[in-house]
Amino acid sequence: EAQVTQNPRYLITVTGKKLTVTCSQNMNHEYMSWYRQDPGLGLRQIYYSMNVEVTDKGDVPEGYKVSRKEKRNFPLILESPSPNQTSLYFCASSSRTGDYNEQFFGPGTRLTVL
Amino acid sequence: GIQVEQSPPDLILQEGANSTLRCNFSDSVNNLQWFHQNPWGQLINLFYIPSGTKQNGRLSATTVATERYSLLYISSSQTTDSGVYFCAVHSWGKLQFGAGTQVVVTP
Repeated sequence: EAQVTQNPRYLITVTGKKLTVTCSQNMNHEYMSWYRQDPGLGLRQIYYSMNVEVTDKGDVPEGYKVSRKEKRNFPLILESPSPNQTSLYFCASSSRTGDYNEQFFGPGTRLTVL
Repeated sequence: GIQVEQSPPDLILQEGANSTLRCNFSDSVNNLQWFHQNPWGQLINLFYIPSGTKQNGRLSATTVATERYSLLYISSSQTTDSGVYFCAVHSWGKLQFGAGTQVVVTP
């Protein structure tokens, strides 16, 4: 089944403890992206990647890192999480740049930073 | 950047009713999608519809790209249709989402 998977789905952690949220897609998509969703602020893009080894900042990249070493994986790294990073996170992918193609979203990761 | 506006912000429906949700966008687009976010938070792809009309069961969507709007129709609504409906357009490397329409379908 074609899908985008994220792990973990739920995570409660403490301030400053490094964590990684994994994202993987099995559709051979070039484009992958991370979004966060917050009440009243909607969905905002954190980082995106046009292809392997090509990443760029979205609207809210502060406090996050990403890497794209393989086409299928696009992990989101929080080196020193803070409570303002408590949010619902989504990974998405599409073929090519995404301009002319449908984007598919993972199931979401609900992160709480205490 | 491109602005995406959805209306109405909230909608309460009795089961079996029909409704229309609207999405206006401020510039020409090559990519428009409709999503349903269910009560568990998952974003479900409904339509990829940069122009024209598509139907999927009780749902259908129409995008008039030249006039910069899209409509999502829900017919014979069911309680499982409850949730938030988002439209999103692709702009500068990301999907720009509207604020959503919160739909509640009562039995």
